[in-house]
Amino acid sequence: QVQLVESGGGVVQPGGSLRLSCAASGFTFSTYGMHWVRQAPGKGLEWVAFIRYDGGNKNYADSVQGRFTVSRDNSKSTLYLQLDSLRAEDTAVYYCANHQGYFQHWGQGTLVIVSS
Amino acid sequence: EIVLTQSPGTLSLSPGERATLSCRASQSVSSSYLAWYQQKPGQAPRLLIYGASSRATGIPDRFSGSESGTDFTLTISRLEPEDFAVYYCQQHGSTPPWTFGQGTKVEIK
Repeated sequence: QVQLVESGGGVVQPGGSLRLSCAASGFTFSTYGMHWVRQAPGKGLEWVAFIRYDGGNKNYADSVQGRFTVSRDNSKSTLYLQLDSLRAEDTAVYYCANHQGYFQHWGQGTLVIVSS
Repeated sequence: EIVLTQSPGTLSLSPGERATLSCRASQSVSSSYLAWYQQKPGQAPRLLIYGASSRATGIPDRFSGSESGTDFTLTISRLEPEDFAVYYCQQHGSTPPWTFGQGTKVEIK
């Protein structure tokens, strides 16, 4: 069955960087667009980034534009999110999800805490 | 950007009762591209409904979705204990950005 497993979260100081990964299995990763969605503690869901199946098109939320970079390695069935210039308001659980217009399958999430 | 407004913020009901959750879009949602998700504490969201009224694989038929113009409704016909959770709507027609409503919590009365 479809599995999405995020990793790479942790505690980082303001201004720091992290790289999140999402390992996919159970479907043909190279034919699906992929998303990152985040959820701050006690808050709702916020879409963060999208990458087309071939990496040829990327979109970002205004809140992360210029600071976050989404990428993928189809040979490894893995999605990435590079988080730079992190701020306290980036503290959240980050989920990856596959794209069907809607978010069909979700990973369990990885927690990023930005704190000094 | 399409803004989705969910109401009520919290719905207090008893098992066996009917739940009606609302999601209003700030403008027309292309081709009824509206999805609903369920999220339980400590878990990832789960897709329930897409295309406004199509149930995702494995979703019980007590969950149904409907639309009327820019108003969308998720109905749970008879609440089971496992249905008490937070529900989010999301539009996937006019993207990017993909936008979510702020959520409705269905709690046990």
